[in-house]
Order: sequence, then C-alpha cells, then structure tokens
Amino acid sequence: NAGVMQNPRHLVRRRGQEARLRCSPMKGHSHVYWYRQLPEEGLKFMVYLQKENIIDESGMPKERFSAEFPKEGPSILRIQQVVRGDSAAYFCASSPGTGGLETQYFGPGTRLLVL
Amino acid sequence: ELKVEQNPLFLSMQEGKNYTIYCNYSTTSDRLYWYRQDPGKSLESLFVLLSNGAVKQEGRLMASLDTKARLSTLHITAAVHDLSATYFCAVVGGAQKLVFGQGTRLTINP
Repeated sequence: NAGVMQNPRHLVRRRGQEARLRCSPMKGHSHVYWYRQLPEEGLKFMVYLQKENIIDESGMPKERFSAEFPKEGPSILRIQQVVRGDSAAYFCASSPGTGGLETQYFGPGTRLLVL
Repeated sequence: ELKVEQNPLFLSMQEGKNYTIYCNYSTTSDRLYWYRQDPGKSLESLFVLLSNGAVKQEGRLMASLDTKARLSTLHITAAVHDLSATYFCAVVGGAQKLVFGQGTRLTINP
C-alpha cells in the first residue's frame, strides 16, 4: 500500500526557470494539500485541492504559483520564474475525502533549491 | 486568524529525564495533531486529539488536549536518544487546512 509519492525529491533551478512538483496521493485518496517549509520553520499551508477543483488557495502567493489536480494523473504545483526565496521543502499530503475526521498523510517532500 | 505557538522551540535533555512540550492555539478548533519530523524527512503522524480532556499515549510519548485553555501538551517520559527529532503540533483551520506551530527541536543526549 504505497503512501503519498512526490517527485522529484530534489530539484535545482536557476532564477527565472520554472519548477514543476508532482504529487500522487495515497490509493483511494481524493484530496490533496500542498505545504511549504522554509528552513528552520514550520509548514505553511498553500492550497487544498480535490479532483479538478481548487477548494482553498488562501496560502498561495498571488503570482507565479499555481496548482492543479486533474481527473487523471498527479497533482502538480507549478512555480514560474523562480526566485531564491522559493527555495524550500514542498510537502504534499492527502486524505480520503470521505468527510469527517481526515488525517492528512504526508509525502517525502520535494526540496527545491534556486541558484 | 488562527495562530499556533509551541514552546520551547529548542530542547536539549538527557536520557532518562521527563519533559513537556506545550502547544497553544488562538481560536477554537475541533482537532489537534502532533507530528514528528526527522532531519531531511517527511512528517510522521503521532497523535490526533479530538475532544476536551483527550489523552493518547504511545510508548514514551503522551499527548493531551484542553480545548477550554486551547492548550495541548506532549509529554516525554524517560527520554531515549531515538526520540531526538522536531515535533510539530497542528490545528485544523478552515476547510481542512492545517496550521502548524513553529516546531520544537528536541535533542536527547546520552
């Protein structure tokens, strides 16, 4: 029973390039969450998605960041024109989407380094 | 806006000792989580606390919740080196999103 999968695990980009981070939820899970962790800090919520719907994007920066969770395939967090301040660990979590108590299960994270 | 604060942020202790990590949150929430994170790793779910007075224990770790005081504690009994990690509490904000505390970096020395 595979857990939440993220790839790549490490990503290096130069300033101005695009970063695409992928997340495959646990089998049977239909809700996906993205969080960002800056060095030595806690995780900060970015976006909450269900299949083909963005439920809450209140934590997403207004520019350069976007997220999707298509009907088929993984969820994608896309960062355009990366800057050094985007360097962080990006964690994806998933939950079943059946309502009520829903523990979020976290993936291993993608560590983005912007040079 | 929901805020979650942990203290202490850094904790160095000797094996065999007991200690408590505190987690305060600013507005009512119906769920509180404790997670463990090892360096460079993901988050491991330790406990979920649902109601006032809830207490859960796993090995040397015990978590409790006081919803009236908006306070949760994570108590470590007779610490061992393997418990060295960063511990986060998180509270459910709107629409399932988790609001995390800053984390408590725990170092247990032989």
